[in-house]
Amino acid sequence: DAEITQSPRHKITETGRQVTLACHQTWNHNNMFWYRQDLGHGLRLIHYSYGVQDTNKGEVSDGYSVSRSNTEDLPLTLESAASSQTSVYFCASSDRGRDTQYFGPGTRLTVL
Amino acid sequence: DQQVKQNSPSLSVQEGRISILNCDYTNSMFDYFLWYKKYPAEGPTFLISISSIKDKNEDGRFTVFLNKSAKHLSLHIVPSQPGDSAVYFCAALVGGADGLTFGKGTHLIIQP
Repeated sequence: DAEITQSPRHKITETGRQVTLACHQTWNHNNMFWYRQDLGHGLRLIHYSYGVQDTNKGEVSDGYSVSRSNTEDLPLTLESAASSQTSVYFCASSDRGRDTQYFGPGTRLTVL
Repeated sequence: DQQVKQNSPSLSVQEGRISILNCDYTNSMFDYFLWYKKYPAEGPTFLISISSIKDKNEDGRFTVFLNKSAKHLSLHIVPSQPGDSAVYFCAALVGGADGLTFGKGTHLIIQP
């Protein structure tokens, strides 16, 4: 069955370190998204991509970057992790021309 | 400024009764609305959606109503079951662009 996976599921890191969270989908969806979920904020959009080599900033993109070298993967990089980036991160994908997004299981990141 | 609002952080309903979850929005450009269900330590799961050209969409026990003039939508679950206990997120989209805008969620508790 097609799916969307995230790794690692849990990560603890230190302030200032570079961290990369992986997202992989096997639906062959063109669109991929990264969100973060924090108490009192729901889910907020970090970055998104509509296809290979395409990336766009979302509402809370500062301190994060993404790159899209193939259809299946959209890794999220925290260049220099900060305690404010402690959160649960969700990756999602959707098909071209369709609005429904399907989410991965999430990565819980703790920055000490 | 929050564009999608779920004003009830929690809702308790007896098993077998109707659950009604509410959502208000401020951006008149939103043209597609979705409800997601989320269990702890899992990603959001798509539940049901509605286009702005409709006022009702039904899928089994789940019905979503959209009142565009009031900028209000609601999710009805009939009858409520114990497995429905979860956090429900309302989300909105403008023409497939820029990712989803989420509300903060409503924690639905189904009492036996």
